[in-house]
Amino acid sequence: GAVVSQHPSWVICKSGTSVKIECRSLDFQATTMFWYRQFPKQSLMLMATSNEGSKATYEQGVEKDKFLINHASLTLSTLTVTSAHPEDSSFYICSAGPGQGSYEQYFGPGTRLTVT
Amino acid sequence: AQTVTQSQPEMSVQEAETVTLSCTYDTSESDYYLFWYKQPPSRQMILVIRQEAYKQQNATENRFSVNFQKAAKSFSLKISDSQLGDAAMYFCAYRSLTSGTYKYIFGTGTRLKVLA
Repeated sequence: GAVVSQHPSWVICKSGTSVKIECRSLDFQATTMFWYRQFPKQSLMLMATSNEGSKATYEQGVEKDKFLINHASLTLSTLTVTSAHPEDSSFYICSAGPGQGSYEQYFGPGTRLTVT
Repeated sequence: AQTVTQSQPEMSVQEAETVTLSCTYDTSESDYYLFWYKQPPSRQMILVIRQEAYKQQNATENRFSVNFQKAAKSFSLKISDSQLGDAAMYFCAYRSLTSGTYKYIFGTGTRLKVLA
């Protein structure tokens, strides 16, 4: 089956610094990638949708200047949390869709971000 | 806008017994997909089953089956012969086929406990 990886799986950073999370589709080309945020015992909240080579579309209420998303190739999307604060601590999950009529998204294993 | 509702925050089932998780959704669209995802403690999202709205036949995958009632906008998941490994969070998700985006709309989730 289609595999999506995320790196790192866990990161701790200090308040005020930036951290980048990578999402890769390993065995397919992902025309669309999605970034979700999940708080403990809650559902996945879609942050943004990115299409390769174009600007990401952010959901209402998500700060695009704080959560920078880049989808530079068909196999890689990155989420950069800029000037991180403790309230940005969360579990971030990416998913990728091959497009071309495929209905499915394939999920990465997630990244736990802790901001101290 | 579409919404997905899971009214059972938590369910318990005895091992080897059957349990049904509820999901309702609201949409004005006629073409869409519905999914059930499992999220175990590892937090990796795992596709359990999917249903295309144009198909009247309910989807089945081994011990997992759905009861899809399009008119009632209901999409419940039945787990037969429950196993300890079925313990997880279960999310119902909706994907439009007509909106031009591929994003999922998730319900709030149901935590399933399996009792030995």
